[in-house]
Amino acid sequence: GAVVSQHPSWVICKSGTSVKIECRSLDFQATTMFWYRQFPKQSLMLMATSNEGSKATYEQGVEKDKFLINHASLTLSTLTVTSAHPEDSSFYICSARVYTSGGQETQYFGPGTRLLVL
Amino acid sequence: EDQVTQSPEALRLQEGESSSLNCSYTVSGLRGLFWYRQDPGKGPEFLFTLYSAGEEKEKERLKATLTKKESFLHITAPKPEDSATYLCAVQAISNFGNEKLTFGTGTRLTIIP
Repeated sequence: GAVVSQHPSWVICKSGTSVKIECRSLDFQATTMFWYRQFPKQSLMLMATSNEGSKATYEQGVEKDKFLINHASLTLSTLTVTSAHPEDSSFYICSARVYTSGGQETQYFGPGTRLLVL
Repeated sequence: EDQVTQSPEALRLQEGESSSLNCSYTVSGLRGLFWYRQDPGKGPEFLFTLYSAGEEKEKERLKATLTKKESFLHITAPKPEDSATYLCAVQAISNFGNEKLTFGTGTRLTIIP
């Protein structure tokens, strides 16, 4: 199956600093990747859709100047949390759109990145 | 607005005790319904995609079914390793014209040996 990796898996930073999270498709090319956020005991919430070579599409209520997304290649998308604050502490998960051999579409998810802002 | 409701919120079963998880949804223009399994501290693992009412898919002890308003994930003779949170998501067209997944809050399943 398709494998998606994320780095780092854990990050602790001070308030006001910026943090970059990488999402890679390891054995396939992904023209579209997605970034989600998950708070404890809550559902995954889509933050933005990342398309290779074009600007990301952000969901309503997500600040695009705070959560910078870059999808510069077919295997890498990055999420940068700028000027992080404690309320940005969360579990960030990326996914990549995959089309199966039968033409069906799904999303394969990375293992997630736990961000703690002190 | 698209809505996905999963029930029960948590379920404890004895090993070998079969049961079903429910996912009810309200969405305009359903493109697909997805089931994922999520272990603590990890990303979701893909299980099934269902596209039309009446469709069924099976994988080992799991079987997913779909109607026009809900989906069921049936677990037959579960084992302790089936313990996880099971997430349901619907795929529809967002206000921006792109396809997006809307997730339910999941059912936390615990299988007791």
